[in-house]
Amino acid sequence: GEDVEQSLFLSVREGDSSVINCTYTDSSSTYLYWYKQEPGAGLQLLTYIFSNMDMKQDQRLTVLLNKKDKHLSLRIADTQTGDSAIYFCAEIPDRGSTLGRLYFGRGTQLTVWP
Amino acid sequence: NAGVTQTPKFRVLKTGQSMTLLCAQDMNHEYMYWYRQDPGMGLRLIHYSVGEGTTAKGEVPDGYNVSRLKKQNFLLGLESAAPSQTSVYFCASTTGDRDTDTQYFGPGTRLTVL
Repeated sequence: GEDVEQSLFLSVREGDSSVINCTYTDSSSTYLYWYKQEPGAGLQLLTYIFSNMDMKQDQRLTVLLNKKDKHLSLRIADTQTGDSAIYFCAEIPDRGSTLGRLYFGRGTQLTVWP
Repeated sequence: NAGVTQTPKFRVLKTGQSMTLLCAQDMNHEYMYWYRQDPGMGLRLIHYSVGEGTTAKGEVPDGYNVSRLKKQNFLLGLESAAPSQTSVYFCASTTGDRDTDTQYFGPGTRLTVL
């Protein structure tokens, strides 16, 4: 987790946009992911982006990647109370030995107020 | 197609007891992983396997052993449980194909060691 950093908490009002930020240190990262974890549940893959992309949009979700700054963000449009969860940023760096292994941030707890 | 399943869902052990956590996947994935999740720590890799009959250590392997006798199953063993092993354990699997790599997670096993 120390190679991937996220802010721990974010609170927004229902209907507003949420932006969750993540920074990573490995410039050779090839895949970057966003996972969602609801209370008491496992991790659900929300979306991912390849390192040769700058942006990916999927319905209410927009992922922005700034490779120069090693910064990844997840924007959730029209945030709903059902979006309240912990959001994890994760990377698969090209570090060789542990093929396919994900490195996770500590997670951002998103709270949506009605 | 059940995806990734884990048994049991919950378990309470006394210090020094042993147990085995079972992970099963029906997606014919080559790579399988065991993570533990602790509050504020994100997910940390315990052990992983890149194919039947192979295992390797991850970030926090001490106190755990694993086996991958069948491709679809990945077992995590605790020989002598300690309170520090109280955690939520997640199993994940993936194809290992870098072009289509997506990790699928099980629902987790919540373990308490008294």
